[in-house]
Amino acid sequence: KAGVTQTPRYLIKTRGQQVTLSCSPISGHRSVSWYQQTPGQGLQFLFEYFSETQRNKGNFPGRFSGRQFSNSRSEMNVSTLELGDSALYLCASSLEAPTGENYGYTFGSGTRLTVV
Amino acid sequence: LAKTTQPISMDSYEGQEVNITCSHNNIATNDYITWYQQFPSQGPRFIIQGYKTKVTNEVASLFIPADRKSSTLSLPRVSLSDTAVYYCLVGDGGNYGGSQGNLIFGKGTKLSVKP
Repeated sequence: KAGVTQTPRYLIKTRGQQVTLSCSPISGHRSVSWYQQTPGQGLQFLFEYFSETQRNKGNFPGRFSGRQFSNSRSEMNVSTLELGDSALYLCASSLEAPTGENYGYTFGSGTRLTVV
Repeated sequence: LAKTTQPISMDSYEGQEVNITCSHNNIATNDYITWYQQFPSQGPRFIIQGYKTKVTNEVASLFIPADRKSSTLSLPRVSLSDTAVYYCLVGDGGNYGGSQGNLIFGKGTKLSVKP
């Protein structure tokens, strides 16, 4: 089966611009979560969406936002880009039971964002 | 959530067994221990999860002593392709290290396998 697909793979933006990243989860997975990975801070949780609703949120400024569509595809947006936003952005999808039990996270290969 | 401590890096040679130990002194009763592997420019990949004693799958073994304050990931006969960063996660019941998407990754252990 197809894995988690993230587009684009690489992106170069200028400070002050905004950017939108896309994530297509594994078919049937309704949970999509986003992470930022930098050499200094490691992997940090941004937010999670489930059935089009943001269910969980990490400690990032409001410039970072996301949404999820009815087909479970998700986008994240970063506005007013800063140099420090340069990172690998990863999304993960998971299948969840009605009880909330999780059947495992599958990550995409990420989008490498460079802000210049 | 319990904090984890792992060695920053380890070196090994092809064909050797590698053991990576993770300390988690404040592990809670309902916490599970989960390990992920990450190659450069890829997302983490689930390796193994356990609660106590020993768990083995086709990739690795996980040893957890009775007090559960530490765990050891064992990779048998490593190859060059096992060069990666390995993360130990503790918490959140059996939800593979996190529920509602929130996996708490530490710094991980960078394993370098040499020929």
